[in-house]
Parts: sequence; C-alpha cells; structure tokens
Amino acid sequence: GAVVSQHPSWVICKSGTSVKIECRSLDFQATTMFWYRQFPKQSLMLMATSNEGSKATYEQGVEKDKFLINHASLTLSTLTVTSAHPEDSSFYICSARDSGQGRTEAFFGQGTRLTVV
Amino acid sequence: DAKTTQPPSMDCAEGRAANLPCNHSTISGNEYVYWYRQIHSQGPQYIIHGLKNNETNEMASLIITEDRKSSTLILPHATLRDTAVYYCIVSPSNTNAGKSTFGDGTTLTVKP
Repeated sequence: GAVVSQHPSWVICKSGTSVKIECRSLDFQATTMFWYRQFPKQSLMLMATSNEGSKATYEQGVEKDKFLINHASLTLSTLTVTSAHPEDSSFYICSARDSGQGRTEAFFGQGTRLTVV
Repeated sequence: DAKTTQPPSMDCAEGRAANLPCNHSTISGNEYVYWYRQIHSQGPQYIIHGLKNNETNEMASLIITEDRKSSTLILPHATLRDTAVYYCIVSPSNTNAGKSTFGDGTTLTVKP
C-alpha cells in the first residue's frame, strides 16, 4: 500500500528557533500533499495544501509567513515552523493521495510532535 | 464538503462486532464516504470508503443507506487494538480527496 513518512517523529526546540518537518511519499508520486495540526484532545485541523512546483494554499487563519511550505519534488513536501513559540507546540501530520493508481483515499504520515520550550 | 455527525464515544466488548454510525444528511451526489481511524499519537489510517454500494475489505464493512444520508462502519470482530478515534468524512473523489475535513469522530473503546 501507499506509504507516507514524516521526519522527525518528535522534536523539541527552543523558543525563537525554526523547525523543519519533512513529509515523503515513499512509493508513489504526489502532486498535492496536505498539512494538518492537532492539539491535545482535539481533531485534525487542515493548515494548508502543498502543491508541487507552486505556492501552497493556506487555510484561513494560518500564517503563511510563519508556516513555510515547500513542495520541491513529487515525493517531498516540507513544513518549516519559523520563530517557534510554545503555542506552536502541537502534533503536525501530513497526507497525500496516490492519484497515479486511481486511488481516492488519503494516506497519512505518522505525525511529528513538536514541543517548543 | 458535507458535514458529518458521529456519537462522541462508544464501547465494545472484545470479539464482538463494533457498529459505528455516521450521519451525513447533506451529502452531495458526487461525494464519497470515507472512514479513517487514529490510534493515540499516530497519524490517521485509512479504513474503507464507498459511494452508494456497501463495501467490504479486510479491515471492515461499510453499510450506506439507500438515501445515502447515513452510514455504518462495522468492525466484525473487535480487538483491543481497534481502540481508536474513528472519523467519518464525506468528500468528492476528485483531486480534492486527501483534503479532508475532520470532525470530532467517535472514540471507540474495546474492552476485554
């Protein structure tokens, strides 16, 4: 089956620093990937749509200058949390669809737990 | 995407069938019903999806009512490892799929 991998699985960073999270589709190409954020005991909230070779589309209320998304290849999207603050601590999850096989379901990464201290 | 309504929590005895309902009364004709689950501290896992016919795979069965306004996910023989939050999502099957709007889901607890 289609596999989406995120790295790192968890990261602790100091307030004010930037953190990069990678999302890779391991066995398929994904022109579009999606980034979610999940706070404790809450559901997933879509942050942005990452488009290969073009700018990401951000959901309302998500700061594009704070959450930088780059989708430089068909198998890799990165999310950089810039100038991280404790309130950015959350579980970040990416997803992608293997459209090349005509599949419509989404496959999710294992998530990255970010803790800003 | 159409909104879905699920009960916040359910319990199920190990080995018994777990039946998880979902209401999606505003579903459009081109929208599919997708089910995912999220085990604690992991990314969501795809379970099954369907348009209007009932579907079955190695994980579960999906029963969609004839008017498509509701559906039920059936785990035929629940195990402790099926304890998770189950999300029902409706979405078109085109390129927008993958951009999923998650509700609060149903927390299923399988008990020994």
